[in-house]
Amino acid sequence: EIVLTQSPGTLSLSPGERATLSCRASQSVSSTYLAWYQQKPGQAPRLLIYGASSRATGIPDRFSGSGSGTDFTLTISRLEPEDFAVYYCQQYDSSPGYTFGQGTKLEIK
Amino acid sequence: QVQLGESGGGVVQPGRSLRLSCAASGFTFSTYGMHWVRQAPGKGLEWVALIWSDGSNKYYGDSVKGRFTVSRDNSNNTLYLQMSSLRAEDTAVYYCARGGDGGYSFDSWGQGILVTVSS
Repeated sequence: EIVLTQSPGTLSLSPGERATLSCRASQSVSSTYLAWYQQKPGQAPRLLIYGASSRATGIPDRFSGSGSGTDFTLTISRLEPEDFAVYYCQQYDSSPGYTFGQGTKLEIK
Repeated sequence: QVQLGESGGGVVQPGRSLRLSCAASGFTFSTYGMHWVRQAPGKGLEWVALIWSDGSNKYYGDSVKGRFTVSRDNSNNTLYLQMSSLRAEDTAVYYCARGGDGGYSFDSWGQGILVTVSS
């Protein structure tokens, strides 16, 4: 089973700053199978990035994804107040299926 | 627009059963794989089950295999999750989600429904 480890656990930044979130896989993951989600308190997750670097419908271009193999990154170029949330990476593997990282909490400094 | 709405949650005793439903609208339900994903209180996300668009194939996470059954009614645009032999560790918010591009992500989510397993 592929394990996804996200870092840091908590990231404290100010609006306007750049955020860089990491997702490391225990084995190589096809870029096609890597996605990122945003979740705000009391809300369902929202798909941000799929295929490691493709933005989902309606996602602002300040969100970008990159990486390959075992190291993937979600970058938010200039933080807006509404971007403070928990972010999850997720991958697909034929067995056992779909797994998520433990999440990175992005909080206001 | 895509809308997914879960129902059927609540408090249930350990060992009992419960069935969740997810009503879909705003897209051609019969052409999408559908998932259940859960989130224990204060915890991260866990994939539970997938059913193909035509219902021909079903897949489950290891923690629910043999206890949960996913199904769908394409004529009524509804997804189901039959949960049996429930345990305290099944306590979570359960989300239905639509399979994304290529089936490797989840591109639309319901608001979630809380299932509490407690005596």
